[in-house]
Amino acid sequence: QKEVEQNSGPLSVPEGAIASLNCTYSDRGSQSFFWYRQYSGKSPELIMSIYSNGDKEDGRFTAQLNKASQYVSLLIRDSQPSDSATYLCAVSKANSGYALNFGKGTSLLVTP
Amino acid sequence: SAVISQKPSRDICQRGTSLTIQCQVDSQVTMMFWYRQQPGQSLTLIATANQGSEATYESGFVIDKFPISRPNLTFSTLTVSNMSPEDSSIYLCSVRTAPYEQYFGPGTRLTVT
Repeated sequence: QKEVEQNSGPLSVPEGAIASLNCTYSDRGSQSFFWYRQYSGKSPELIMSIYSNGDKEDGRFTAQLNKASQYVSLLIRDSQPSDSATYLCAVSKANSGYALNFGKGTSLLVTP
Repeated sequence: SAVISQKPSRDICQRGTSLTIQCQVDSQVTMMFWYRQQPGQSLTLIATANQGSEATYESGFVIDKFPISRPNLTFSTLTVSNMSPEDSSIYLCSVRTAPYEQYFGPGTRLTVT
C-alpha cells in the first residue's frame, strides 16, 4: 500500500465550478497535512496546511481532514484557468516528525 | 514563509562526475530537507539536514552517493556523486518554518549524459 495516494486525474472542471481533490494516507501517526500546487516546470508551492479534524478555509481553498478515515481533501471554489496545475498531497512521517511523504499528485484542468 | 535560492538552476553533467547543489535561505532555519523529483513522478525525500548534526538519510539513499553539508542555519549543499543517467532528476531543497510548514526552493534540474 502506498503511503499517500491520490487519483492522478486529469480532473477537468469548467471555470467557476468547484474542484474536489482527494487524498488518503496509510500512517495513522501522521499529524500534519499539506496541499501543494505545482505548475509545470516549477517547484511545489504550499497552498494549505491542516493539523486537526474538520475544515480549514483560506480564500477559495478549503482543506478537510478526517483522521479516523485517514482522508484529506482540497476544495477549490470558483475555479479559474490559472488553477490548472498538479496538486500534491503531503503527509508528515510519523516517526521523523517533520519530513513529508508526497502523493503522486492530481492534475487539474480548468476549462474556460 | 522563507525565500530560498538554489544554485545551479540546471546542469548537464557527464556520467561518473559529481555535482554540488547549493541551497541558501534568507532566514535562519533549523531543519532543511533535500528531495528528488524524477520525471513525471512525485517528490521523494533524500535526507534531512539539521545544523550541527549528521544528515539523516531515507531508505535507498546513502551518504557516499549523496553527501550533505549543513555548515550554518541558512545554507546547505547536496552533492550527487559518481553520477549515472538514472540520477537525472530535479533536486529540491526545502525548509521547515513554524509550526510545521515546508517551503521549497526553485529546484535544480540535472541531466546526466
